[in-house]
Amino acid sequence: DSGVTQTPKHLITATGQRVTLRCSPRSGDLSVYWYQQSLDQGLQFLIQYYNGEERAKGNILERFSAQQFPDLHSELNLSSLELGDSALYFCASSVSGGFGGYTFGSGTRLTVV
Amino acid sequence: TQLLEQSPQFLSIQEGENLTVYCNSSSVFSSLQWYRQEPGEGPVLLVTVVTGGEVKKLKRLTFQFGDARKDSSLHITAAQPGDTGLYLCAGWGAQKLVFGQGTRLTINP
Repeated sequence: DSGVTQTPKHLITATGQRVTLRCSPRSGDLSVYWYQQSLDQGLQFLIQYYNGEERAKGNILERFSAQQFPDLHSELNLSSLELGDSALYFCASSVSGGFGGYTFGSGTRLTVV
Repeated sequence: TQLLEQSPQFLSIQEGENLTVYCNSSSVFSSLQWYRQEPGEGPVLLVTVVTGGEVKKLKRLTFQFGDARKDSSLHITAAQPGDTGLYLCAGWGAQKLVFGQGTRLTINP
């Protein structure tokens, strides 16, 4: 157990739908990062939050949004889902930045049918 | 744009052999990290190297950071089936953590 909790572990949904992925960071970590991993794209950075505020954006689509709540858990919202959104979605956390490395959760496998 | 290139992308060897995985960039990084990822799980941090020329050992795994802090290598001695997995290098610089595409390693019994 890495200390980063992601739910659900698996999600199957239809095209056009909206889903919410949840992440609880490791105790004491203020930064949360979301990544998408597909077979042909590797780990793609989506977005970072630090202590409730958006800190950095990567290759996140406009159909995707995220937020970090006062208790530091984070949610990634994916809407108008397309087949190509099928992937593993990882949350990672760190105390502040990434100098010393991230702690990853076990991911949510999203399948869009 | 910071990019990290890993080589080889795929490596399949027999148990007991030695191997080296490379991670190269034209950018300088403040730190370089190696992760291992098993199927269905998230990447797990193995080591962070910070100083140019630094060498760290983790049992049969040896990690080296290049003198110019632009590249790194992972050497595994006497590989075992339990070493099978996806190995990712990641560089921290300009407030970003950049991942390589990974090396998928298979150790055959």
